[in-house]
Amino acid sequence: GQQLNQSPQSMFIQEGEDVSMNCTSSSIFNTWLWYKQDPGEGPVLLIALYKAGELTSNGRLTAQFGITRKDSFLNISASIPSDVGIYFCAGVSNTGNQFYFGTGTSLTVIP
Amino acid sequence: DGGITQSPKYLFRKEGQNVTLSCEQNLNHDAMYWYRQDPGQGLRLIYYSQIVNDFQKGDIAEGYSVSREKKESFPLTVTSAQKNPTAFYLCASSRRMNTEAFFGQGTRLTVV
Repeated sequence: GQQLNQSPQSMFIQEGEDVSMNCTSSSIFNTWLWYKQDPGEGPVLLIALYKAGELTSNGRLTAQFGITRKDSFLNISASIPSDVGIYFCAGVSNTGNQFYFGTGTSLTVIP
Repeated sequence: DGGITQSPKYLFRKEGQNVTLSCEQNLNHDAMYWYRQDPGQGLRLIYYSQIVNDFQKGDIAEGYSVSREKKESFPLTVTSAQKNPTAFYLCASSRRMNTEAFFGQGTRLTVV
């Protein structure tokens, strides 16, 4: 099955810094989702995007559905220690019938 | 509370035994999914179900079986045919196929 290209693979940042990560696909997607997973837990949905160009915020998180429909971006502003975890993108292609997941970005926030 | 519940959280089994993982949702969602997660890897789809009494194989269905007799329940059986069953298993549901999916808290299966 298709896997999305997610980068960076890991990030180590100071508390208070902003974070950016992205996800790309070789095919066009109709839906982009961003999840956060804490160790030993299930992923929690952060943001859902359904339209090309759409920009959606959830508190300090902002995600965008790329214009080409082949990418998506997640930004976290003013990071705090509880932002630590693994962030996954997920998408649904316009030809497929399942979600495809990225390999995850591991975020460490140094107090 | 509405949500999706997986049980148990941790499961240990001897090699050669079948084991069934439970997944229940009270969100009135039509679609349900089972994923497998291995360290450092993304989620891989095992099986999915769009509606009661219907399910389809995902990318890595070999050695697994499912049933969908009730809308709320989608149990996964890991059979002895699965060559490398030790993993973290995640169940998810969505209102219909390809809409926002919500996950359970996962079951960590260890086969010794």
